[in-house]
Amino acid sequence: DAGITQSPRHKVTETGTPVTLRCHQTENHRYMYWYRQDPGHGLRLIHYSYGVKDTDKGEVSDGYSVSRSKTEDFLLTLESATSSQTSVYFCAISDHRANQPQHFGDGTRLSIL
Amino acid sequence: AQSVSQHNHHVILSEAASLELGCNYSYGGTVNLFWYVQYPGQHLQLLLKYFSGDPLVKGIKGFEAEFIKSKFSFNLRKPSVQWSDTAEYFCAVNVDTGTASKLTFGTGTRLQVTL
Repeated sequence: DAGITQSPRHKVTETGTPVTLRCHQTENHRYMYWYRQDPGHGLRLIHYSYGVKDTDKGEVSDGYSVSRSKTEDFLLTLESATSSQTSVYFCAISDHRANQPQHFGDGTRLSIL
Repeated sequence: AQSVSQHNHHVILSEAASLELGCNYSYGGTVNLFWYVQYPGQHLQLLLKYFSGDPLVKGIKGFEAEFIKSKFSFNLRKPSVQWSDTAEYFCAVNVDTGTASKLTFGTGTRLQVTL
């Protein structure tokens, strides 16, 4: 399995609080992605990064921000969590723009009460 | 924007039955296609991928998929399923954006294999 560590693995928090999820990779891959998984929707791309300090929005980016100050770390922040952001969040990495599959972390289950 | 449709949301099969899961995508350009599997409580794992060449691709655990360009389809097949194949299966299309690649997933098919 690809060296991807997501932390925390589980988190319960209250509406309105800030939340930061971390994705750490040991593969030195250039591309990193954050997805959320919800029943009936599959996985949807939130934000992605194509290099240090280079990020862009995905399909469902509203309410989320990201940062990548080092190759190995990609942070996802919910500035003010809402109940609609209760989900399972997956980080993925790849070492090529298109012709390689993405490899996924174990996910973070986030509940916002 | 590209989209992926998986029409079978929940499939129940007996062990040794044959499996075919449908996947259709909408995108007019060059695509890379994937099938991922998610076992209960686990992360997504790659089953197989298609980039170019032979439209019939073989993956792990006896799975295969056929890319039919004229039908915009990439259906997953397995001749004889096992109880351990119980999982959720996702089809995905990967489109190069110029800066990175974006994976668009279908909504998934939950496969339940009974003994």
